[in-house]
Amino acid sequence: DSGVTQTPKHLITATGQRVTLRCSPRSGDLSVYWYQQSLDQGLQFLIQYYNGEERAKGNILERFSAQQFPDLHSELNLSSLELGDSALYFCASSSELTPKNTGELFFGEGSRLTVL
Amino acid sequence: AQKITQTQPGMFVQEKEAVTLDCTYDTSDPSYGLFWYKQPSSGEMIFLIYQGSYDQQNATEGRYSLNFQKARKSANLVISASQLGDSAMYFCAMRRNAGGTSYGKLTFGQGTILTVHP
Repeated sequence: DSGVTQTPKHLITATGQRVTLRCSPRSGDLSVYWYQQSLDQGLQFLIQYYNGEERAKGNILERFSAQQFPDLHSELNLSSLELGDSALYFCASSSELTPKNTGELFFGEGSRLTVL
Repeated sequence: AQKITQTQPGMFVQEKEAVTLDCTYDTSDPSYGLFWYKQPSSGEMIFLIYQGSYDQQNATEGRYSLNFQKARKSANLVISASQLGDSAMYFCAMRRNAGGTSYGKLTFGQGTILTVHP
């Protein structure tokens, strides 16, 4: 158990719909990351938040948005869904890199989204 | 920009033998970290091992070791005494270890599927 909690684990929806994926990071971790894993694109970085603020943005579509709340949980909103959005969406969290800590990412179990 | 290349889509190994999974990287950052993750068929991402760019010694964690050759920009994962439970997808990843907007996030390779035969 990584300590990162993602809900829902599975989600089936139709094209054009909107979904929200939720993530609770490990206790004490301030950084939250969202990744998309698909067969053709591999693991793609979407966005990173640090203590409520957006820190880095990757290949995130304009139809997608995210935020990190004061309690540090994060949500990824996917709207106007298309068939190609079907993927496994991971949330990860990390602590800061220090001489005694590698700052590795701890991943949740993922939310598998199927768009029909 | 950072780039990770894993040239082996699939690898096979006999149980109890050692196997090396290749990873090469490209970056202009002087300080960076290299990671290996395991993804079993169940889907979760499991952290295996870390190597910092300034670390003098190659990292080891139990049966996992990282063969770090900085001049060649390679960070191969060596798994000794393979077990059936090692069958999984393995990802190499890297991260900038200094400030800036890309600090923290990992850039992943395409992965290598390892199959361990009994």
